[in-house]
Amino acid sequence: AQKITQTQPGMFVQEKEAVTLDCTYDTSDPSYGLFWYKQPSSGEMIFLIYQGSYDQQNATEGRYSLNFQKARKSANLVISASQLGDSAMYFCAMSFLNTGFQKLVFGTGTRLLVSP
Amino acid sequence: DAGVIQSPRHEVTEMGQEVTLRCKPISGHDYLFWYRQTMMRGLELLIYFNNNVPIDDSGMPEDRFSAKMPNASFSTLKIQPSEPRDSAVYFCASSLGRRNEQFFGPGTRLTVL
Repeated sequence: AQKITQTQPGMFVQEKEAVTLDCTYDTSDPSYGLFWYKQPSSGEMIFLIYQGSYDQQNATEGRYSLNFQKARKSANLVISASQLGDSAMYFCAMSFLNTGFQKLVFGTGTRLLVSP
Repeated sequence: DAGVIQSPRHEVTEMGQEVTLRCKPISGHDYLFWYRQTMMRGLELLIYFNNNVPIDDSGMPEDRFSAKMPNASFSTLKIQPSEPRDSAVYFCASSLGRRNEQFFGPGTRLTVL
C-alpha cells in the first residue's frame, strides 16, 4: 500500500524563523518521487520542490529544502527565514514507478501560520 | 507564459443539472490531470490523459462523470446529472513528461444545491 502521512494539522512560526513540516510515507515501490505543494488561501496549488528517491543530495529551491531520509521514509520540508506570505496549506505528495510516475498521491496537508 | 487555465472559476447549479468544467493546459505539456478536492477526502486524482488519450480513469467516481480531451489544448470534465455530494474544488493540472512536476490551474469551485 502507498500512504503519505502528514501528522501536523497546524504549525505556527514567527517571521524570519525556520520551520520544518513533516511528511512520512510508506511504499514498497523501489522508485518514487516526492513533491511539496503550497496552497494559499486563494486556492491555487503551487509546486515548491521535488526529490527523486535515487537522488543523492537533498533538493533545495531558494528558501525551501527537502530533508530526505530514505531509511526513515521521511521527506520533510524545511522553510528558512519564514515570511508572512508563507502562511498557507502545505501538501506532501508522491508519485510511484508502478503507476508510471504520473499518479500523484497527496497527504492531508499542514496549515502553516506565520506571525509577525 | 500562461499557466493552466480553468473555467469557470465558480459554478453554482441545482441538483440534476449538467455541469461542464473546462481546462486549457500549458502549451507543450503532454499530460493533463483532473483532480477533486474536498474537506473529507482531500485531493483525489480523477483521470489523466497523455497526448490526449485517457490513460487512467480509475478515480472517476461514477458514470455520471466523464472527461474528454479533443485536442492538446483543451479538456472538459462533465458531470451529468450533478448531485450535492459533487460539490468540491476541481483542479486541472498539466505536466511535461512522466516524471516532472504538475502545474495546477486555479481550480473551479463547484456548488450543487
